[in-house]
Amino acid sequence: DGGITQSPKYLFRKEGQNVTLSCEQNLNHDAMYWYRQDPGQGLRLIYYSQIVNDFQKGDIAEGYSVSREKKESFPLTVTSAQKNPTAFYLCASTRDSPGQPQHFGDGTRLSIL
Amino acid sequence: AQSVTQLDSHVSVSEGTPVLLRCNYSSSYSPSLFWYVQHPNKGLQLLLKYTSAATLVKGINGFEAEFKKSETSFHLTKPSAHMSDAAEYFCHMGMRFGAGTRLTVKP
Repeated sequence: DGGITQSPKYLFRKEGQNVTLSCEQNLNHDAMYWYRQDPGQGLRLIYYSQIVNDFQKGDIAEGYSVSREKKESFPLTVTSAQKNPTAFYLCASTRDSPGQPQHFGDGTRLSIL
Repeated sequence: AQSVTQLDSHVSVSEGTPVLLRCNYSSSYSPSLFWYVQHPNKGLQLLLKYTSAATLVKGINGFEAEFKKSETSFHLTKPSAHMSDAAEYFCHMGMRFGAGTRLTVKP
């Protein structure tokens, strides 16, 4: 079955360390998204990409970076500049535009050591 | 600017009673709207979608929602709650999600 795979499921970051969250999809979708989920705040958009080698900042991009070198992959790096990285991170995709239902991975929970 | 507002952060119902989860939206054009369900430590699963066809939309697990343009609402309902419905529910439009409504079902 097609879907989105996020890894790892749990991740711990040390002070001053960059960490990378993986997101892979085999749905042949053009658009991919990264969201941060904090209790009571819903999902907030970090970055999105509608085509390979192109991506745009979302509402809370500071302290994060992404790349989109392949259609299937959209990794998210949480840099040391992100001072409050503890959250649940969700990756999603749509066939092309944002006005379609989003398919989600099972998330990565990032915590500070 | 687009926005989505879920009017209740927490709803508690008894098993077998109706469920109503409220969502209002703001958009300058006719939107596509979606409801998702999330179980703990999982991603979101699509329940139903409105894409400008019928205003009453039926989804999975007995849920349905009605698009009301005059009220800019897209409320989610279910006639009879089941224990397995306990979860968090999100209303979605474009790249905007509501803050979520946690549904508790009491035996």
